[in-house]
Amino acid sequence: DTGVSQDPRHKITKRGQNVTFRCDPISEHNRLYWYRQTLGQGPEFLTYFQNEAQLEKSRLLSDRFSAERPKGSFSTLEIQRTEQGDSAMYLCASSSSTANYGYTFGSGTRLTVV
Amino acid sequence: AQSVTQPDIHITVSEGASLELRCNYSYGATPYLFWYVQSPGQGLQLLLKYFSGDTLVQGIKGFEAEFKRSQSSFNLRKPSVHWSDAAEYFCAVGASHNAGNMLTFGGGTRLMVKP
Repeated sequence: DTGVSQDPRHKITKRGQNVTFRCDPISEHNRLYWYRQTLGQGPEFLTYFQNEAQLEKSRLLSDRFSAERPKGSFSTLEIQRTEQGDSAMYLCASSSSTANYGYTFGSGTRLTVV
Repeated sequence: AQSVTQPDIHITVSEGASLELRCNYSYGATPYLFWYVQSPGQGLQLLLKYFSGDTLVQGIKGFEAEFKRSQSSFNLRKPSVHWSDAAEYFCAVGASHNAGNMLTFGGGTRLMVKP
């Protein structure tokens, strides 16, 4: 068990470009969560999957944000037409649906939009 | 909707001194409450959690927290702080009826430890 892995660790992009982040959860965890953490703030829930189903996506920040988990294993978070306000740490976490709030967080992907 | 307030953005304590980090929550029913710690470049690590039962909860690294329903608080304490405790601390609340187990976090308290 190598924990929750996120790739890349850091991403610098120009405004208007698309970016995609990847999260590999703990293999036996069927739930996967995405959170965003802006500087000086706590993490903010974005979306989550149970297996391959995206069960909550109303908190995605805009229609420029989308997430997938095609085979119920790894997940990707895409931001289209990035804006400076998208600069933040994007955190992934995984858990088992049988373990109440049993989150394991990854180290995050830090996005800087210039 | 639930919310969490951590009134202290920064706290500085001397090594060996006691510590209390404040957390107030807003939630209509009995909440699930958590404290996480985040060191630079690291993910969030769970220190302790409260679901029900004894309102004084013991966690890892010598931390404890007390749930006080009448004050809507869940303050984190440690009797003697070590330099390695310097980090950012987040209080979070989860809804007991929330099937998806989504968390709402406070804004965090950055702890600095003086030698």
